[in-house]
Parts: sequence; structure tokens; C-alpha cells
Amino acid sequence: DIQMTQSPSLLSASVGDRVTLSCKASQNIYKYLNWYQQKLGEAPKLLIYYTNSLQTGIPSRFSGSGSGTDFTLTISSLQPEDVATYYCYQYNSGPTFGAGTKLELK
Amino acid sequence: EVQLVESGGGLVQPGRSLKLSCAASGFTFSDYAMAWVRQAPKKGLEWVATIIYDGSSTYYRDSVKGRFTISRDNAKSTLYLQMDSLRSEDTATYYCARGRILDYWGQGVMVTVSS
Repeated sequence: DIQMTQSPSLLSASVGDRVTLSCKASQNIYKYLNWYQQKLGEAPKLLIYYTNSLQTGIPSRFSGSGSGTDFTLTISSLQPEDVATYYCYQYNSGPTFGAGTKLELK
Repeated sequence: EVQLVESGGGLVQPGRSLKLSCAASGFTFSDYAMAWVRQAPKKGLEWVATIIYDGSSTYYRDSVKGRFTISRDNAKSTLYLQMDSLRSEDTATYYCARGRILDYWGQGVMVTVSS
């Protein structure tokens, strides 16, 4: 199975900060990597698919990059409504999620 | 507007069965693979199973193989998850999601396995 490791597990940042979340795969997943946002009590929402494609309706402050085993989600200017847990997800084979990064306001 | 609405959850004893449904609308259901994803209380997301657009192929995580069956009725635009021999570790909120990339999700349905 492909293991997905997210870091950090908890991130505190201020409104307006540039925030970077990391996701590492245990083997090459090419670009088959998505990012999801889950707010408390809600279903996950797709933000980024195929590493760097922005899902319809998602603000442009969200962006993704990477390939192979190392991937990044960047929020260019953190907003209060971005407080959530973020999950990466690989769908190259035997789909797996990372454990998540909880993003909170400092 | 894409909508996915799960139903069928509840409290069930270990070893018993439960069948979840996911009613889809707002898109051509028969064009898409569909999946189930679960989330144990206060835990992360876990892919459970996927079925391709016509139902001819299915895929499962190891821990549910032989116990869970994913199926679909394209005429009714409905996805199913038959869960047999349930265990306490199957306790979770179960979400249905669209496609290989899981681009739309339902609101989830809670399954509690306890005596």
C-alpha cells in the first residue's frame, strides 16, 4: 500500500499569512494527488485535483504543486474561513489518504 | 447541481448486516465511477470501495474484502454498500463520493457497531 505522510499535523497561522502544507508519498504517484478541506461537522470538499488543478468555485488563493512523491498545498493569504483540516489523497493505486493537517488561527 | 444523499445508517450489533444507499442527482450517474469513504469518530478519512461506471469492476480496501459489497443501479441513479459481519472498527460516518477523483461528496451517514 502507498503511505501518505502529511506535515505538520497541526499548524497555527495568522490571517494574511502564506501557509504551506506538505504531503509525501511512500512511492511514485506521478501527479495523482488531490487535496480536500474538511470543516468541523461537514463533508470533505475537493480543493485541488491532479496536483495543481483548482476545482470549480475554489478561491484562487489555494494552489497545489509537486510530482512523484512530494506535494504541497499553498494558501497564499490565510482567511478565517480557511480554518479546517486538510487531507491529501492519492489515487494512483489502492487509494489512500494522508492523516491530515489541522489548520488553526494563531 | 450535483447532489449525493446517503441513507440507511444506524446502530447495529457486531456480526450483523446493514445496507447503505446513496441517491445521486444533478449529473449522469451512469457516466461515473462511485466510491464509499468512511471516517471513524475523530479520525481521518479512509477509502473503502470503488465501483466503475457500469458496475463490471469493483475494488475494496483489504479490511473490508469479503464482508462489504459495493453495487449500483444506474436506472435508479443509486449506489449501495452492503456491509456484512460488521465489527466495532467499522463504526464511522460513511460518505459516498463521485468519480475516481472524489469531486463531490454526500453529507454522510453514521454507522455504529456496538452491542
